[in-house]
Amino acid sequence: DVKVTQSSRYLVKRTGEKVFLECVQDMDHENMFWYRQDPGLGLRLIYFSYDVKMKEKGDIPEGYSVSREKKERFSLILESASTNQTSMYLCASNPPDRMNTEAFFGQGTRLTVV
Amino acid sequence: AQKITQTQPGMFVQEKEAVTLDCTYDTSDQSYGLFWYKQPSSGEMIFLIYQGSYDEQNATEGRYSLNFQKARKSANLVISASQLGDSAMYFCAMREVLTSYDKVIFGPGTSLSVIP
Repeated sequence: DVKVTQSSRYLVKRTGEKVFLECVQDMDHENMFWYRQDPGLGLRLIYFSYDVKMKEKGDIPEGYSVSREKKERFSLILESASTNQTSMYLCASNPPDRMNTEAFFGQGTRLTVV
Repeated sequence: AQKITQTQPGMFVQEKEAVTLDCTYDTSDQSYGLFWYKQPSSGEMIFLIYQGSYDEQNATEGRYSLNFQKARKSANLVISASQLGDSAMYFCAMREVLTSYDKVIFGPGTSLSVIP
């Protein structure tokens, strides 16, 4: 059974803290994505990676960075958490060579910054 | 700039009726893929249906069908014979193939409520 796993379901962090959200997939996918989901805005792409150590900015990269040291792991980093980064964060992966293959999602991390 | 538009923030449908959820997209690419996902209150993302830009036939998967109008850049989801379990958020997504990579972007979603 294919799986994308996010390290935490719920997180509460303080303003200014450095926050790491971890995502691991076991499908050997090259592509991995980080989205944040907010009511009325849908899923917005923060960063994505198409190979180890390769990354591209999505639509809302400000305040975030990412790390992809191994193929199966894609980390989202909030360098200095702020209250406007309180949101649901979703990680996903898909293979690059099969256009009709859907993205597989983790269960989401609900982050609250206080 | 938002590339996927879902103009219906919320929809209601009577149980057993059909419902159409709208999706329009913007791309200059010739090769792309369109997806619909369902997100129930549990939060998981469930893939429903796929349409490729070169597919001539509209995609169907059980009670789901995709009304693909390429010239109008629309990819509406039709759910036939609605069930109470269809109450959820529905997201339209597009996979764009760029020069050396591809990415997937989503619309704002439509909240569907099925009324008994």
